[in-house]
Amino acid sequence: ETGVTQTPRHLVMGMTNKKSLKCEQHLGHNAMYWYKQSAKKPLELMFVYSLEERVENNSVPSRFSPECPNSSHLFLHLHTLQPEDSALYLCASSQESPGAGNTIYFGEGSWLTVV
Amino acid sequence: QKEVEQNSGPLSVPEGAIASLNCTYSDRGSQSFFWYRQYSGKSPELIMFIYSNGDKEDGRFTAQLNKASQYVSLLIRDSQPSDSATYLCAVNGEGGSYIPTFGRGTSLIVHP
Repeated sequence: ETGVTQTPRHLVMGMTNKKSLKCEQHLGHNAMYWYKQSAKKPLELMFVYSLEERVENNSVPSRFSPECPNSSHLFLHLHTLQPEDSALYLCASSQESPGAGNTIYFGEGSWLTVV
Repeated sequence: QKEVEQNSGPLSVPEGAIASLNCTYSDRGSQSFFWYRQYSGKSPELIMFIYSNGDKEDGRFTAQLNKASQYVSLLIRDSQPSDSATYLCAVNGEGGSYIPTFGRGTSLIVHP
């Protein structure tokens, strides 16, 4: 149990479907993240929210749409995905603080397969 | 462009040996340094963090930081097969840049 909960853990969707990934953190943190991890590739930062405002968007295609309704919840809305979007999607949270600190804690991930 | 470099490996060590994992970073103003362990098919889990130059020990793990040379390392003593995983180095920037940059990870294999 990491304090960051992701659902669903596994998702198979067609290219024309619309689905959402959900993340909830129980750590009282003020920043939340979406990362993508494909096979044999490093972690790719997708989005960062700080105090519910998006502060980072790493040139992610518009078929991925994040939503952060409050500091504890983060969604990733998916539509018209491509097979190459199949990957492990990791949610993370941290307590933003200046200087040293800001340890990131990951959820268990959502395995996405696009068929 | 901040960069964090790790040798992808695999690093293969016998059971009971010391495994040494290294990481270099480009941003001289970096302040916080983290090591994560990721088992195959699982998410990364935090092992240690270090902020100050020198060594920090936690059980079988020792993190070493040298800011002048811009490297951070992780030593695993008495390596066990259960330590076989990918180890990710992460570095935070300076001046409120709290978003960490991750390395590609080093694959460690501990063989009996």
